[in-house]
Amino acid sequence: AQSVSQHNHHVILSEAASLELGCNYSYGGTVNLFWYVQYPGQHLQLLLKYFSGDPLVKGIKGFEAEFIKSKFSFNLRKPSVQWSDTAEYFCAVNPYNNNDMRFGAGTRLTVKP
Amino acid sequence: NAGVTQTPKFRVLKTGQSMTLLCAQDMNHEYMYWYRQDPGMGLRLIHYSVGEGTTAKGEVPDGYNVSRLKKQNFLLGLESAAPSQTSVYFCASRTGTGRGSNQPQHFGDGTRLSIL
Repeated sequence: AQSVSQHNHHVILSEAASLELGCNYSYGGTVNLFWYVQYPGQHLQLLLKYFSGDPLVKGIKGFEAEFIKSKFSFNLRKPSVQWSDTAEYFCAVNPYNNNDMRFGAGTRLTVKP
Repeated sequence: NAGVTQTPKFRVLKTGQSMTLLCAQDMNHEYMYWYRQDPGMGLRLIHYSVGEGTTAKGEVPDGYNVSRLKKQNFLLGLESAAPSQTSVYFCASRTGTGRGSNQPQHFGDGTRLSIL
């Protein structure tokens, strides 16, 4: 069955450190890829998405992600994190011939001031 | 513009009781989804709907039923609540036609449900 794997369950960084969160999926066909963020006590919000074109996509708040088709990966990056980036981050995959979306288990990011 | 609204926000039930969670969206979206979020497991899809009058099973449908009688509403029912259904439930909707749309889902604020 298709799945989405996020390698890190909890990441702790100091402000200004660089961030990379891993995401791999198992679906072999064409996919649409998303990263969502959930701030404490809030609902999920879209950070960025990829569906075609340049595999390096930029999102809100300085986040970017790179789609590497050969590795079935869609890693999220940010050069310099801020305390306000403390949140849970979810990778999601919508296979091209499916109606539903599958989410990874999430990575909790804690940024120390 | 309210977006996706879920009611209630919190609820405590006893084992065996029934209840219905309501999701309403005002964006004229075709697709609507119900997820449950549990620690360490991310969001798991319970049921979804691709349009008024249609529903389909997701990853974890057992113990839940849904209905989409009106385009803007998607109801999630628990006929006989069990402690294993203690979770945070999120509703989402999206636009787009056909399968595999690149349109993102818009989420409600969630319903925290505890089954004793």
